[in-house]
Formats: sequence, C-alpha cells, structure tokens
Amino acid sequence: QKEVEQNSGPLSVPEGAIASLNCTYSDRVSQSFFWYRQYSGKSPELIMSIYSNGDKEDGRFTAQLNKASQYVSLLIRDSQPSDSATYLCAVPRDYKLSFGAGTTVTVRA
Amino acid sequence: DTGVSQDPRHKITKRGQNVTFRCDPISEHNRLYWYRQTLGQGPEFLTYFQNEAQLEKSRLLSDRFSAERPKGSFSTLEIQRTEQGDSAMYLCASSLAAGGATDTQYFGPGTRLTVL
Repeated sequence: QKEVEQNSGPLSVPEGAIASLNCTYSDRVSQSFFWYRQYSGKSPELIMSIYSNGDKEDGRFTAQLNKASQYVSLLIRDSQPSDSATYLCAVPRDYKLSFGAGTTVTVRA
Repeated sequence: DTGVSQDPRHKITKRGQNVTFRCDPISEHNRLYWYRQTLGQGPEFLTYFQNEAQLEKSRLLSDRFSAERPKGSFSTLEIQRTEQGDSAMYLCASSLAAGGATDTQYFGPGTRLTVL
C-alpha cells in the first residue's frame, strides 16, 4: 500500500462548478496534511494545510480531514480556468513529505 | 524575492558527465530538503538538512549523489556519472523548524535535468 494515494483523475469540471479531490494515507499517526498546486512545468505551491478533524476554508478552497478514516479532501468552489493544474496531497513523515501522485484538474470554460 | 531559489533552472548534459545544482533557502529557514520529481509522479524525498547537518538520506540517493550544506546556508546537490534515468526535476524546499514535525515546506522553482 502506498503511503499517500489520490484519485487518479484527470478531473474535468465546467467553470463555476465544484472540483472534489480525495486523498487517503496509510500512517495513522500523521498529524498534519498539506495540499500543493502544481502548474505544468512549475514547482509545487502550498495552498492549504490542515491539522484538525473537520473543515478548513480559505477563499474558494476547503480542506476536509477525517483522521479516523485516514482521509483528507480538497474542494475547489466556483472553479476557474486558472485552477487547471495538478493538485498534490502531502503527508509529513519524520520531517520529509510523502506525496501522492497528484490529481490533474482541467476547468472547462 | 525572498523565496527559495535554485540554479540553474535547466541543465542538459551527456551521460557520464557530472552536474551540480545549487539551492538558496528562505533566509531564516534552518531546514532544507531535496526532492526529485519525474513526469506523472509526486516529488520523492532525497535528503534533508537541519542547519549544516545532513540528517537523512533516501535509499533513492545512490553513491553517485552527494549533497552538502556548508555553514547551514545554501546547499548543493551533485550527481556524478549521470545516467539517463537521472533525468527529472530536482526540487529544493526549505522550512523553519517549529519544535515538531509539522513545519511548512516551501519549494523553489526546481532544476530540470535532461541527460542525453
């Protein structure tokens, strides 16, 4: 079992819709979780971090964490063409980050 | 610009040559990380420094790879006798230790290596 798994995508959504991205992790002791956005050919950019069970909202982004189910998700509301990118879920393990393979989102105008 | 910087941004080399990459972290950050990313995959951890001490190296880091962080400032990653399988994006990240394992890592723009 991989340490971090994401829904494989690609995910295509119309402009203005909600994009829903899922991530599961294997290490039950993980306490913090990060979502990075990566545009094609660029480096990962941090967009959200979450440490507690429940929801955390930041602008059009909402991260949801359920530690009992070892599940973290990212919702992008009112999706815009500029949201078209690969979204990486990352879980720290002994200071280093373990990443999922990423989910590529395409927002159709 | 006070973010993480990397140099060069692109490197094309022939198989068997040595290459060296540089990373300058955010100035107050004491932790520095190197990752490697290939197409369609998330970044994979290579090595990590706290100040000048190299505290962990991945099994991915063969004997051809060496990293240094003299004086706890910038870091270099050297690959000797490059192979085509070394072609990847090499990413540097830095963070400020917050007394636990949850400090946030910020990435540089990366160095894209192509080995012909």
